[in-house]
Amino acid sequence: GENVEQHPSTLSVQEGDSAVIKCTYSDSASNYFPWYKQELGKRPQLIIDIRSNVGEKKDQRIAVTLNKTAKHFSLHITETQPEDSAVYFCAAYDSSYKLIFGSGTRLLVRP
Amino acid sequence: DAGVTQSPTHLIKTRGQQVTLRCSPKSGHDTVSWYQQALGQGPQFIFQYYEEEERQRGNFPDRFSGHQFPNYSSELNVNALLLGDSALYLCASSFGQGNQPQHFGDGTRLSIL
Repeated sequence: GENVEQHPSTLSVQEGDSAVIKCTYSDSASNYFPWYKQELGKRPQLIIDIRSNVGEKKDQRIAVTLNKTAKHFSLHITETQPEDSAVYFCAAYDSSYKLIFGSGTRLLVRP
Repeated sequence: DAGVTQSPTHLIKTRGQQVTLRCSPKSGHDTVSWYQQALGQGPQFIFQYYEEEERQRGNFPDRFSGHQFPNYSSELNVNALLLGDSALYLCASSFGQGNQPQHFGDGTRLSIL
């Protein structure tokens, strides 16, 4: 089955700097990769996603890149703000349409 | 446009008891997936319901069962509760099967004493 690994587990950046979170997946049939942001005590919120027919997708300060050959995808947050502080999860659908999550990255943006 | 709603928000049970959690999907969605999220971990897939049938199942024992109703709402039942079942139980809805975006509810915090 699918295995999704996520790094780093914690990330601390200065406000205004960029943050990058990386994930790898194992199932070469996977073709949809969402990213979720979960603030303390709240629901995971879908912030951006990418399908395997594109290599990059951008939405304001966040972007996701996908390398199908290497089976890894990354979340990029530019001009970070304190409200970006949260736990971020990557995920991938396996070949039987089960959504498999990474272990999460705790992002802290220092003012 | 109502999002995914779950009830109850919190629940306290003792070992050996049974529990039922409820989920109403986002308007327009017909597929419901359930996840268990232990503290400090990512959501773990339990199962998915579509057209009132369990379509996919993760690595969870038969103590975990579910149901989907004609209005697409869903229940998660857990029997013979163990201390290790303490977690946040999340429901997510999507439209159709396949690789579709899933939207989560606020979850039910289940504590086993």
